[in-house]
Amino acid sequence: GAVVSQHPSWVICKSGTSVKIECRSLDFQATTMFWYRQFPKQSLMLMATSNEGSKATYEQGVEKDKFLINHASLTLSTLTVTSAHPEDSSFYICSARDAQGDEKLFFGSGTQLSVL
Amino acid sequence: KQEVTQIPAALSVPEGENLVLNCSFTDSAIYNLQWFRQDPGKGLTSLLLIQSSQREQTSGRLNASLDKSSGRSTLYIAASQPGDSATYLCAVFYGDMRFGAGTRLTVKP
Repeated sequence: GAVVSQHPSWVICKSGTSVKIECRSLDFQATTMFWYRQFPKQSLMLMATSNEGSKATYEQGVEKDKFLINHASLTLSTLTVTSAHPEDSSFYICSARDAQGDEKLFFGSGTQLSVL
Repeated sequence: KQEVTQIPAALSVPEGENLVLNCSFTDSAIYNLQWFRQDPGKGLTSLLLIQSSQREQTSGRLNASLDKSSGRSTLYIAASQPGDSATYLCAVFYGDMRFGAGTRLTVKP
């Protein structure tokens, strides 16, 4: 099946630093990628929809200047958490839709971010 | 408002039992519905995808049904095994994904 690679899987950083998370579709082209966040014991929450070659669409309540999304190619989307703070500590996961598939989503393995 | 609800929140069964997980959604104008499995510390694994025009999908011991008119989907797991222990998420695709809170399943040997 299709594979989505997400890196890093785990990161610890100091408050105020920026963290970049990559999401790559390895064997298919993804015109659309989605970024989610999951706090402990809560459901996955959609943060933004990333479309190749255009600006991302953010969900209500998600700060676009804090969570920078770049979808520069059909196989790569990045999420940068700028000036991270402890409240940004969460599990971040991406998913990608196969542009020539049946709209099935394939998920990365997630990134656990801990901000000290 | 497009909401997805899963019941029960947690379920514990002995090995070998057949079980049903429930998912309900408030807006029936869906494109598709997916059931995922989430293992601790790992990403999501897609189990079954049902298009809006379909009524059910089957894969091995798993069967998922969809009733758009009532806003419901069920995931049926036959002959449960300890390896089935995980959190099962229902997600409805409206153009973006809306997830339920999941059902934590424990299958005891």
